[in-house]
Amino acid sequence: QVQLVESGGGVVQPGRSLRLSCAASGVTFSNYGMHWVRQAPGKGLEWVAIIWYDGSNKYYADSVKGRFIISRDNSNNTLFLQMTSLRVEDTGVYYCARAPFSYCSSITCRYNYGMDVWGQGTTVTVSS
Amino acid sequence: EIVLTQSPGTLSSSPGERATLSCRASQSVSRSYLAWYQQKPGQAPRLLIYGASSRATGIPDRFSGSGSGTDFTLTISRLEPEDFAVYYCQQYGSSSWTFGQGTKVEIK
Repeated sequence: QVQLVESGGGVVQPGRSLRLSCAASGVTFSNYGMHWVRQAPGKGLEWVAIIWYDGSNKYYADSVKGRFIISRDNSNNTLFLQMTSLRVEDTGVYYCARAPFSYCSSITCRYNYGMDVWGQGTTVTVSS
Repeated sequence: EIVLTQSPGTLSSSPGERATLSCRASQSVSRSYLAWYQQKPGQAPRLLIYGASSRATGIPDRFSGSGSGTDFTLTISRLEPEDFAVYYCQQYGSSSWTFGQGTKVEIK
């Protein structure tokens, strides 16, 4: 059974850093792209970042570009999100989600199967 | 960035009724890259529909998706008690993903 388990959340002051992890099991991790998606308290879902299956490409939402870095360790089936210069508005639950694709080249991937498996989320609170 | 606008914001319905949820995009979206999710309080989202109309694994056939271009619809043919939740549409294009703001389906 495929499982994604996030960890690393906590309470941090504005301007500080935090690193989130997402451990995958029951799946060939290196065959999938991986997303981070977040949800502020009482709000909707916001896409944060994606990393290609092999780590070759990474894309970010404008709200986190230049502050967050997504990475992965395929040998240990783990996804990461390094968050720096944290702001109060970064507060929320952070989910990792799997991104199957039908085709990938060096330029583009067809992520046409949605985000099909999600972790339970880890909570980040940015507050002074 | 493509903006997705969902309507209505809240839908009050009774079990057994049909529910129709709308998702409108600010510019054309490929059907291949339009998905719908269900989220219940305290839970992670769950994929319902991908490719605008394909049901994800294990999703009951009372859930169906349709649409193209800028207008997409999620239909729940007969609401079951477990279907009362928040529903999000999501699109992918130009290496960016966006979600709609959500539609809450509540019990009337």
